[in-house]
Amino acid sequence: AQKVTQAQTEISVVEKEDVTLDCVYETRDTTYYLFWYKQPPSGELVFLIRRNSFDEQNEISGRYSWNFQKSTSSFNFTITASQVVDSAVYFCALSEEGAQKLVFGQGTRLTINP
Amino acid sequence: DTGVSQDPRHKITKRGQNVTFRCDPISEHNRLYWYRQTLGQGPEFLTYFQNEAQLEKSRLLSDRFSAERPKGSFSTLEIQRTEQGDSAMYLCASTEQWDSVNEKLFFGSGTQLSVL
Repeated sequence: AQKVTQAQTEISVVEKEDVTLDCVYETRDTTYYLFWYKQPPSGELVFLIRRNSFDEQNEISGRYSWNFQKSTSSFNFTITASQVVDSAVYFCALSEEGAQKLVFGQGTRLTINP
Repeated sequence: DTGVSQDPRHKITKRGQNVTFRCDPISEHNRLYWYRQTLGQGPEFLTYFQNEAQLEKSRLLSDRFSAERPKGSFSTLEIQRTEQGDSAMYLCASTEQWDSVNEKLFFGSGTQLSVL
């Protein structure tokens, strides 16, 4: 069965601090996809990144970076030099090959204080 | 490109009433999804359409729920005889991917349902 766990329910930091959001997943498939979505107060989820299970290379996009480690079944997300606009709920999600749905974690509410 | 549009944004109803939500996906997107999100939780899959065909339904979708996408464009989600447990945010998403969900989804802002 698929499962995604985001153990951090809420994180609050001061602007310009670095922050890491944890994501641990469970799947029996060897081919799967991992995602991060951002949900700002307006409600719509915004796609941030997709990673497939064969690509363990870390990715950096501006202030965002992702660390994928199959050995620990983790796909963590780091925001460097956080800004107030980064405040949102962040979801990690998993999709198995051929599956037609995403399985989401419970989300982490990130608050960046000025 | 106006994004995924959902209507209404908020709906308050009394227990036992029927409600219907509408979703307009991005125009060229052939795949449309419905998810449900309760407070403090991540979205949960309900159902999806490939064009007008409803190809999968979650066990969360009881007999009181019905979804349609009659012309492969907009979709409606109807809940009959609403219960307080139906209170949630109902999210619609679309994508143009043909054979897999493993591409990014574009979400609407959702319809927040409150059943009194």
